[in-house]
Amino acid sequence: EIVMTQSPATLSVSPGERATLSCRASRSVSSLLAWYQQKPGQAPRLLIYGASTRATGIPARFSGSGSGTEFTLTISSLQSEDFAVYYCQQYNNWPLTFGGGTKVEIK
Amino acid sequence: QLQLQESGPGLLKPSETLSLTCTVSGGSITNTTSYWAWIRQPPGKGLEWIGSIYYSGTTYYNPSLKSRVTMSLDTSKNQFSLKLSSATAADTAVYYCARHGDYYDNSGYYDYWGLGTLVTVSS
Repeated sequence: EIVMTQSPATLSVSPGERATLSCRASRSVSSLLAWYQQKPGQAPRLLIYGASTRATGIPARFSGSGSGTEFTLTISSLQSEDFAVYYCQQYNNWPLTFGGGTKVEIK
Repeated sequence: QLQLQESGPGLLKPSETLSLTCTVSGGSITNTTSYWAWIRQPPGKGLEWIGSIYYSGTTYYNPSLKSRVTMSLDTSKNQFSLKLSSATAADTAVYYCARHGDYYDNSGYYDYWGLGTLVTVSS
């Protein structure tokens, strides 16, 4: 099983600032990495797939990068609606696995 | 637009079998590019993939749950289902059904989700 590790667990950011979230895989997942946003009481929403491709309707302030074992999600200028928990997920190998999440909170 | 909706009992006793159904609308579960999955999230915790099923009936299960999980399709109702036997309090979670693309075509990310349903296991 590929273990996905996200850091930090919590990120405190002021509105308008940049947020950088990290995701590390225990072994290479190539570029088969997705990012999701989850708000309280809601299902996760797909943000990024293929490590860097934004899903339909996702604003350009969200960007993903990386390959192999190291990945980054960047939110260029945090809006109020971006405060949420973010998960990475690898789909290079069964079982499909998620990271533990990063909570982005208001500073 | 694809929509998924979970249904099933919200409360069961330890040792009982958890049974949930996901009804898919706006598309067919026999679509050859779709896999249908169950994912769960214990209160305040992260996401755990339970398993996926393909239109052919081929299943893929999380090894940590494999001995207790059964997934199936009902093409006549455009539904797929989850059964998790010998439930314990550790199975208390919000259960989501979701769609992902063809794993073998590098599309194993979840692009459609149900709203989720809370299942509590308690005596």
